[in-house]
Amino acid sequence: GEDVEQSLFLSVREGDSSVINCTYTDSSSTYLYWYKQEPGAGLQLLTYIFSNMDMKQDQRLTVLLNKKDKHLSLRIADTQTGDSAIYFCAESPGGYNKLIFGAGTRLAVHP
Amino acid sequence: EPEVTQTPSHQVTQMGQEVILRCVPISNHLYFYWYRQILGQKVEFLVSFYNNEISEKSEIFDDQFSVERPDGSNFTLKIRSTKLEDSAMYFCASSEESQGLNTEAFFGQGTRLTVV
Repeated sequence: GEDVEQSLFLSVREGDSSVINCTYTDSSSTYLYWYKQEPGAGLQLLTYIFSNMDMKQDQRLTVLLNKKDKHLSLRIADTQTGDSAIYFCAESPGGYNKLIFGAGTRLAVHP
Repeated sequence: EPEVTQTPSHQVTQMGQEVILRCVPISNHLYFYWYRQILGQKVEFLVSFYNNEISEKSEIFDDQFSVERPDGSNFTLKIRSTKLEDSAMYFCASSEESQGLNTEAFFGQGTRLTVV
């Protein structure tokens, strides 16, 4: 079946790195995504990784994909207070037409 | 920057009533979606829509739900007879191409539906 799991809460100190983890079940997913949701706002695509890649770096964001273990992680370097939000991992089973989301990880950044 | 807009931001309705949630997707997008998130739970796919017809729907999207693109700009989700368990945040999204083809789905800010 299609399922995405992620931890619900992460607290980090400003300036430290944050690592948000996610596991998924559908090996047919062509792309895997990270979305960010700030209070009162919609879901904003942060980054994505193609399933044949192991790593993708985009400025402060690093995505690691372990396809064998179906494990995805998002690392945010030098975490800032503006990074406080809910982060959703998502897969696209069969590659098209829908996203399967995790429950979201609430990232709290404190001074 | 183009954005997906949803109205209203919050809708309260009595059980058994019909509700219509409205969305204006980004103008050159061809694919449209509805998702929902029950408080404290995952964001769940409801339906995708392309070329004036449903391309995929989930088990949640039963006969109580329908979608429509009544004109060139709006995309609506109708719930015919609301139940308490329909209370959730409903997100509309749109994309240029089908999701998964290296294309971004843009989400609206959501409509919070409360059924009392």
